[in-house]
Amino acid sequence: DIQMTQSPSTLSASVGDRVTITCRASQGVSSWLAWYQQKPGKAPNLLIYKASSLESGVPSRFSGSGSGTEFTLTISSLQPDDFATYYCQHYKSYPLTFGGGTKVEIK
Amino acid sequence: DVQLVESGGGLEQPGRSLRLSCTASGFSFGDYAMSWFRQAPGKGLEWVGLIRSKAYGGTTEYAASVKGRFSISRDDSKSIAYLQVNSLKAEDTAVYYCTGVRYDSRGYLDRFDIWGQGTMVTVSS
Repeated sequence: DIQMTQSPSTLSASVGDRVTITCRASQGVSSWLAWYQQKPGKAPNLLIYKASSLESGVPSRFSGSGSGTEFTLTISSLQPDDFATYYCQHYKSYPLTFGGGTKVEIK
Repeated sequence: DVQLVESGGGLEQPGRSLRLSCTASGFSFGDYAMSWFRQAPGKGLEWVGLIRSKAYGGTTEYAASVKGRFSISRDDSKSIAYLQVNSLKAEDTAVYYCTGVRYDSRGYLDRFDIWGQGTMVTVSS
C-alpha cells in the first residue's frame, strides 16, 4: 500500500498569511493526487485534483504542485473561511489512501 | 442541483448487517464510478471501496479492512449505489460518505468531486 504523510499535522496562521502544506507518498503516484478541505461535521470538499488542477468554483488562492512523491498545497492569502482540516489522497492504485490531515488554526 | 444523499445508517449490534444507499440526482449517474469512504469519530478519512461504471466493467475494489464483509453494488436505472455491510464490528463505527467519481478521456479516474453529506453508522451492543 502507498502511505501518504502530511506535514505539519497542525498549523497556526493568521488571516492574510501564505500557507503551505506538504504531502509525501511512500512511492511514486505520478500526478494522481487530490487535496480536500473538511470543516467539522461536513463532508470533504475537493480543492485540487491531478496534483495541480483547480476544481471548479474553488478560489484561485488555492494551488497545488508536485508529482511523484512530493506534493504541496498552497493558500496564497489565508481567509477566515479557510480555517479547516486539509487532506491529501492518492488515486494511483488500490487501495486509495489519505494523509493524516493538517488542521489549520487561527493564530 | 448535483446531489448525493446517503441513507440507511443507524445503531446496529456487532455481527449484524446494514445496507447503506446513496441516491444521486442532477448528473449522469451511469457515467460515474461510485466510491465509499468513512470517517471514524475524531479520525481521518478512510477509503472503503469503489464500483466502476458499466462502461468500465462495473467491477469493484475494496480496502483490505472490509474485503469479504462489505459489498458495493449499483442500480443505474434508479441512480442508486449501495454499500452492504455485513458482520459489523465496533471499528466500523463511522460516518460513511459516498462519492461520484469522474473518468477522464483515457478512462482513468479523474476526480472525486461529488460527495454526499454522510450517514452515521454506530456499532454497539
